[in-house]
Amino acid sequence: EDQVTQSPEALRLQEGESSSLNCSYTVSGLRGLFWYRQDPGKGPEFLFTLYSAGEEKEKERLKATLTKKESFLHITAPKPEDSATYLCAVQVVKNSGYALNFGKGTSLLVTP
Amino acid sequence: ETGVTQTPRHLVMGMTNKKSLKCEQHLGHNAMYWYKQSAKKPLELMFVYSLEERVENNSVPSRFSPECPNSSHLFLHLHTLQPEDSALYLCASSQDSPGLAGRWGEQFFGPGTRLTVL
Repeated sequence: EDQVTQSPEALRLQEGESSSLNCSYTVSGLRGLFWYRQDPGKGPEFLFTLYSAGEEKEKERLKATLTKKESFLHITAPKPEDSATYLCAVQVVKNSGYALNFGKGTSLLVTP
Repeated sequence: ETGVTQTPRHLVMGMTNKKSLKCEQHLGHNAMYWYKQSAKKPLELMFVYSLEERVENNSVPSRFSPECPNSSHLFLHLHTLQPEDSALYLCASSQDSPGLAGRWGEQFFGPGTRLTVL
């Protein structure tokens, strides 16, 4: 069965304190791995797509990496505005090819 | 703004009511999705439409009825819901094409409709 597990569930950082969020997956036929950011009361906002092991993507203070079993979202020198829930999703081969399996997310709080 | 709008943003309904959620995308995409997001649970895919044809129905109860009249609009018709159906309902869209090396486009989400069933 396809599974996506995110850890930790919640993370509290001081401003400037770098850390990483983890997304481990067990799927057959991975097409892509996606990272989203979700603020309270809003829909998920797309951040990155990774397709193959070894691939890396960067955007401002965020860097996403992918291996054959997991992905990391590295946050360098975070600011309070980085506080949000970060969601990981894997796109798997199904009948239609459209399924995104989401993890439960990591809730990040960055304090000044 | 992601280019995907949803109305209403908040909805309270009784178990015997009938209501509809509306989603509109302004991105020129040809695939649209309904997701359910409940507290402490991952997003759950409900329905997928590609080129106005339903291609995925993820074992959703018949009290939820989707409609996709064209590639820009998606509806979710609700009737005789249960309190456990209270959740955030999210619409998303993507460009449905193999693209590079058989890859599929990322999904862009609307702000959601917060549904409360009394």
